[in-house]
Amino acid sequence: EDQVTQSPEALRLQEGESSSLNCSYTVSGLRGLFWYRQDPGKGPEFLFTLYSAGEEKEKERLKATLTKKESFLHITAPKPEDSATYLCAVQAGISSNTGKLIFGQGTTLQVKP
Amino acid sequence: GAVVSQHPSWVICKSGTSVKIECRSLDFQATTMFWYRQFPKQSLMLMATSNEGSKATYEQGVEKDKFLINHASLTLSTLTVTSAHPEDSSFYICSASPLPGGELFFGEGSRLTVL
Repeated sequence: EDQVTQSPEALRLQEGESSSLNCSYTVSGLRGLFWYRQDPGKGPEFLFTLYSAGEEKEKERLKATLTKKESFLHITAPKPEDSATYLCAVQAGISSNTGKLIFGQGTTLQVKP
Repeated sequence: GAVVSQHPSWVICKSGTSVKIECRSLDFQATTMFWYRQFPKQSLMLMATSNEGSKATYEQGVEKDKFLINHASLTLSTLTVTSAHPEDSSFYICSASPLPGGELFFGEGSRLTVL
């Protein structure tokens, strides 16, 4: 069964304290791995797509990496405005429905000034 | 990125009534749109795939007669929660992609509260 597990469930950082969020996955044929940011009461905001092991993408203080079993979202020198829930989702290759994303439970990040 | 808009953002209704939620792709056409549901402190679960000009495809365990989906145009899909009950209270989010199999962009979400 396709599955996505994120850790930790919650993370508290001081402003400027770098850290990483983990997304482990088991899927039948990975078509793509997606990272989203979700603020309370809002829909997810697209951050990155990774397609193959070894791929890396960066955007401001965020950097996403991918291996065959997991993905990391590295946050460098975070600011309070980075506080949000970060969602990881995978798109399985076997599924004929290309819109079916399997989401992890998310990591809720709180950055204190 | 592509823009997907939902309306209303929140709605409160009495048990037994029906509620309609609209999802629009503002700057692209979408032959397919996706409806997700998110319960408090849980992640998103796909409910159904909305197909323009044809019937929606529902995920296992989702009642077709309760959650009516209509995709009448390339920029609009609607989700109607019929005979709503308190257990239907949730955050409903739609999504679409400008490209088949590409990144999904999500609407702002619609919070439904059934009293």
